[in-house]
Amino acid sequence: GEDVEQSLFLSVREGDSSVINCTYTDSSSTYLYWYKQEPGAGLQLLTYIFSNMDMKQDQRLTVLLNKKDKHLSLRIADTQTGDSAIYFCAETSYAGNNRKLIWGLGTSLAVNP
Amino acid sequence: DVKVTQSSRYLVKRTGEKVFLECVQDMDHENMFWYRQDPGLGLRLIYFSYDVKMKEKGDIPEGYSVSREKKERFSLILESASTNQTSMYLCASRAGGWYQETQYFGPGTRLLVL
Repeated sequence: GEDVEQSLFLSVREGDSSVINCTYTDSSSTYLYWYKQEPGAGLQLLTYIFSNMDMKQDQRLTVLLNKKDKHLSLRIADTQTGDSAIYFCAETSYAGNNRKLIWGLGTSLAVNP
Repeated sequence: DVKVTQSSRYLVKRTGEKVFLECVQDMDHENMFWYRQDPGLGLRLIYFSYDVKMKEKGDIPEGYSVSREKKERFSLILESASTNQTSMYLCASRAGGWYQETQYFGPGTRLLVL
C-alpha cells in the first residue's frame, strides 16, 4: 500500500542548512506537502509542490522533487532555533472517489545554538 | 486566513465517560477530518466527512463515532472512553474540488483518560 518514510531525527547548528528527506510510494500523487508542528501545537502548512514541478523555493525553504526516485526533500537555509519542530511529509492518495493524505511519521529537527 | 478551532486544548476524563470533541472551521470547507497523533505512530485518520451528514471511516475508527450536522462543525465522540484513547486529537478541514488537497489543522486537543 501507500507509504511515506522519513528519518525520525535531525540535529543541526544554528545558521547551518537543514535538509529533511522523504520517500513516498504513490506515483499518482498530485501534491506533496511539508507541514510543521511546533511543540504542543497543531500542524501548520509549510509548503507544497505540485507533481509536475522539480523545485519550489519560498524564502528560506527549498523543496526538491525527484519523481523518478519518488524522493522529496525540504531544505531550510540559515536554520534558526525557531525552526526546531517536527516536520511531516505527506502525499496525496486516491482510492476510488476518496482522496486523503498519507503521512510520514515526522522528522524532529533540533537546532543547537 | 483559514481558521480551524477545537473546543478544548486539554481534557481529562475518566474511563467509561462519553467524550465530545468539537471542531469548527470558518472557511465553508466541504471536507473535515479527525486524526489522532501518538509518539512513534504519526498521524492516523479516524474519520472524515465530505459533506453535511456524510461520514467515512478512516484507518482506525473503532471506539469512535462522528457527527456532522452543520457544514462548519465536525464532532468526534468517544462513546465510552478508555485509557488507550489517551492521545492528541487533531481536526483538519479541506475545501472541495478535485485539486483542493491542502488540509488546514486546528491546534489539537490533548486528551487524558484516567
